[in-house]
Amino acid sequence: NAGVTQTPKFRILKIGQSMTLQCAQDMNHNYMYWYRQDPGMGLKLIYYSVGAGITDKGEVPNGYNVSRSTTEDFPLRLELAAPSQTSVYFCASKDFQETQYFGPGTRLLVL
Amino acid sequence: GQQVMQIPQYQHVQEGEDFTTYCNSSTTLSNIQWYKQRPGGHPVFLIQLVKSGEVKKQKRLTFQFGEAKKNSSLHITATQTTDVGTYFCAWRGSGNTGKLIFGQGTTLQVKP
Repeated sequence: NAGVTQTPKFRILKIGQSMTLQCAQDMNHNYMYWYRQDPGMGLKLIYYSVGAGITDKGEVPNGYNVSRSTTEDFPLRLELAAPSQTSVYFCASKDFQETQYFGPGTRLLVL
Repeated sequence: GQQVMQIPQYQHVQEGEDFTTYCNSSTTLSNIQWYKQRPGGHPVFLIQLVKSGEVKKQKRLTFQFGEAKKNSSLHITATQTTDVGTYFCAWRGSGNTGKLIFGQGTTLQVKP
């Protein structure tokens, strides 16, 4: 059981470039989430999904897009990267007891 | 929107001393969760509290949910260097989405 996996671990982007952050879970959880964590701050919800084919915006969705074609995968797309998107991105999934399991994170630097 | 305020932001203690972090809300919370994040790591679920006045213990950690369900605390007795990290409270909002609203976290440093 790998839990929640994320790739890449670290990425440097130039302003205006695009990329997809990958997230996968093997626990058959319906609920999945994308958070960003800025230095010294708590986590803020970007997007979430309650099942395959269903996604919705969180607190800070601007500049991001998601899709959920399968239960396992929940990729996060950054279009036209900006320095304000420099952050650590965590993907998480939730079980029926409301526990969220986080992936190891992707550190993104936009220069 | 609903916010949970967490204090203090940082705490430095000598190994063996106790540590407490507090989470406060201006409105009633239906539940509160606590997570620990080690330096460079990811948040790890510790516990969930849902009942007014609830107290739960995990070894040296004691979690409380206030009687009015507007505040919560995490107390660590006799800290160890393995307790180093940032402790977050989080409120699972209303509805069935499971969305979490996180406090800013308390970072604990333990001097050996």
